Amino acid sequence: AQRVTQPEKLLSVFKGAPVELKCNYSYSGSPELFWYVQYSRQRLQLLLRHISRESIKGFTADLNKGETSFHLKKPFAQEEDSAMYYCALSGTGFQKLVFGTGTRLLVSP
Amino acid sequence: DGGITQSPKYLFRKEGQNVTLSCEQNLNHDAMYWYRQDPGQGLRLIYYSQIVNDFQKGDIAEGYSVSREKKESFPLTVTSAQKNPTAFYLCASSPTSGTLNEQFFGPGTRLTVL
Repeated sequence: AQRVTQPEKLLSVFKGAPVELKCNYSYSGSPELFWYVQYSRQRLQLLLRHISRESIKGFTADLNKGETSFHLKKPFAQEEDSAMYYCALSGTGFQKLVFGTGTRLLVSP
Repeated sequence: DGGITQSPKYLFRKEGQNVTLSCEQNLNHDAMYWYRQDPGQGLRLIYYSQIVNDFQKGDIAEGYSVSREKKESFPLTVTSAQKNPTAFYLCASSPTSGTLNEQFFGPGTRLTVL
């Protein structure tokens, strides 16, 4: 069965501090991992996916198959990063997404 | 924004009534999805459709029904059989080829049962 675990409901940091939002997954095949973000009063949108290996808004995420993790990191948090972040998993090919329960990031000045 | 629209933004329903939530997309996507978003539970899949006239149950389909008569439209009906319908409902769409599995979301409908 596919499962995504985000252990932190809330992560509160100060501006300029490093941020790491944790995501662990369970999947027997070759997974595709995503991070989605929902800013206040905006719709849910894709932040990044592991297959692209890109940095978006300073965020990066590395797929660690040994630890079955896909943690989201940013070296210096900004106030505009405050949002709800969801990790999501899919198998290869057309597969429905399985979402984690989300982590609310709060960046204080 | 644009691409996926949901209406209405807010919806109130009396117990025992069925209600239909609208979802329309102009992205030419084959696949469409309905999720329910509750605090602390993330997004849970209700129904999804990969192609017109075909749809599958998700993880929490009981008390819900859908139709997919047109590629652009995927309405969700919340029936009186749904025990706890008060929630935020999100519709999404995605292509089924090319960049697989990136889903594009609508703005959501907040349903409140009075």
